[in-house]
Amino acid sequence: DQQVKQNSPSLSVQEGRISILNCDYTNSMFDYFLWYKKYPAEGPTFLISISSIKDKNEDGRFTVFLNKSAKHLSLHIVPSQPGDSAVYFCAAKSGGTSYGKLTFGQGTILTVHP
Amino acid sequence: DGGITQSPKYLFRKEGQNVTLSCEQNLNHDAMYWYRQDPGQGLRLIYYSQIVNDFQKGDIAEGYSVSREKKESFPLTVTSAQKNPTAFYLCASSRRDRVGTEAFFGQGTRLTVV
Repeated sequence: DQQVKQNSPSLSVQEGRISILNCDYTNSMFDYFLWYKKYPAEGPTFLISISSIKDKNEDGRFTVFLNKSAKHLSLHIVPSQPGDSAVYFCAAKSGGTSYGKLTFGQGTILTVHP
Repeated sequence: DGGITQSPKYLFRKEGQNVTLSCEQNLNHDAMYWYRQDPGQGLRLIYYSQIVNDFQKGDIAEGYSVSREKKESFPLTVTSAQKNPTAFYLCASSRRDRVGTEAFFGQGTRLTVV
C-alpha cells in the first residue's frame, strides 16, 4: 500500500520556467512533509518542509504548498536552473512514537534544459 | 564537519554470504535509520533505532539485522536470507526530541551480489 505517491516519474522544463512537482498521500496521520533532492549514487539532501498546520512554506526559489483536504502537496521551483536536474522525493511522517520515520514517494526525475 | 559516513561506497558479495554495512554519525542524533532504494522506487525503511540498545523493524526488515550498541553507530547486516539484496542502501539520522526535524542521509552503499 503506497501511502505517498508521486504519479509523475519524470518532468522536463526549460531553464527559467517554473517546475511543479506533485505528491499525494493517503495517511491522515501524516503531519509533516518534506522534499528531498537526490543525485545519482548520492544520498538525498533535504530541500524544504512544511507542517500540516501551514499551507505554504517558501525558501528562496523553492515553495511547498499543502492542501490537506485533498491530501496533496506540491513543490514549485522558480526559476528552474539546470543544476536543479535531479530526482525529487516527497516524504511524510507522523507524530507520536513513530516520529522521525519517513515514508517516501517513488520520486520524480526533473530535467531542466538550458 | 558533522555528518553521516557510510562505508564502503561499493560492496560486492557472493550469494550465500552475510555482509555488514557501516554507518557512523557525529551529529549527536539519537535516531538512526536504514533505507533501501531500488530503481524506479522510493526509499523503503528497513530498520530504525530511536535510542541506544533499541531498534524496530521497518517495512522490509526480512533478511536484515541491525545493532545499536553506540549512539554514533548503526551497522546493517544483509544476511543470506535476504532474497534480493542488490540495491542502494542509505543510512540516515535525526533528532528525536521534536517533530519536524528532517533526517540527514549518508552517501549510500551500493551492494551487488555476484
